[in-house]
Amino acid sequence: NAGVTQTPKFQVLKTGQSMTLQCAQDMNHNSMYWYRQDPGMGLRLIYYSASEGTTDKGEVPNGYNVSRLNKREFSLRLESAAPSQTSVYFCASRAGAYGYTFGSGTRLTVV
Amino acid sequence: AQSVSQHNHHVILSEAASLELGCNYSYGGTVNLFWYVQYPGQHLQLLLKYFSGDPLVKGIKGFEAEFIKSKFSFNLRKPSVQWSDTAEYFCAVMGGLNTNAGKSTFGDGTTLTVKP
Repeated sequence: NAGVTQTPKFQVLKTGQSMTLQCAQDMNHNSMYWYRQDPGMGLRLIYYSASEGTTDKGEVPNGYNVSRLNKREFSLRLESAAPSQTSVYFCASRAGAYGYTFGSGTRLTVV
Repeated sequence: AQSVSQHNHHVILSEAASLELGCNYSYGGTVNLFWYVQYPGQHLQLLLKYFSGDPLVKGIKGFEAEFIKSKFSFNLRKPSVQWSDTAEYFCAVMGGLNTNAGKSTFGDGTTLTVKP
């Protein structure tokens, strides 16, 4: 089925470990986004990529890096995980003025 | 900068009751407005969207929303809720498509619980 695929679905990290969250879309969308969702705080934008080859910081970029590998893939990396990065992470893509298509999310716990 | 405020954090209704969830936004130019729904344990899905034209937009599952420009509001409504509508609802604004890279700002969400 067409859509946004995120891996992994669940992850537990120890403080200081690193990991990469993968995201891929097969809808030929130009723009892709990474959000984190925390209780009572809605979704906050971490990084986005308006088009292949470009990336920009969002509202809460500290502690994260991204790579837009090609038009399909947009990965999020935590270089040194901290407990404050415990959250649910959603990748999304967008075509034109339409709304987002979201992935199923990655639930990350940092202990 | 764009921002969104959702008035209710948690709404509890009985089945067949009417629903209205408030949403106000702040942005100085043309906006696109959205409501998303997140069922328990799932990702966000688009309920409906407003770009231009008729300010009353209809979405899936009997939901509708009205854009009132003078009030900077985009409230979500449903005449008769069902138990299956239990979910979290997010209002979002996307302003300045060509200058804003299509970034959406989300409200904090409203949790709707429908009692059978």
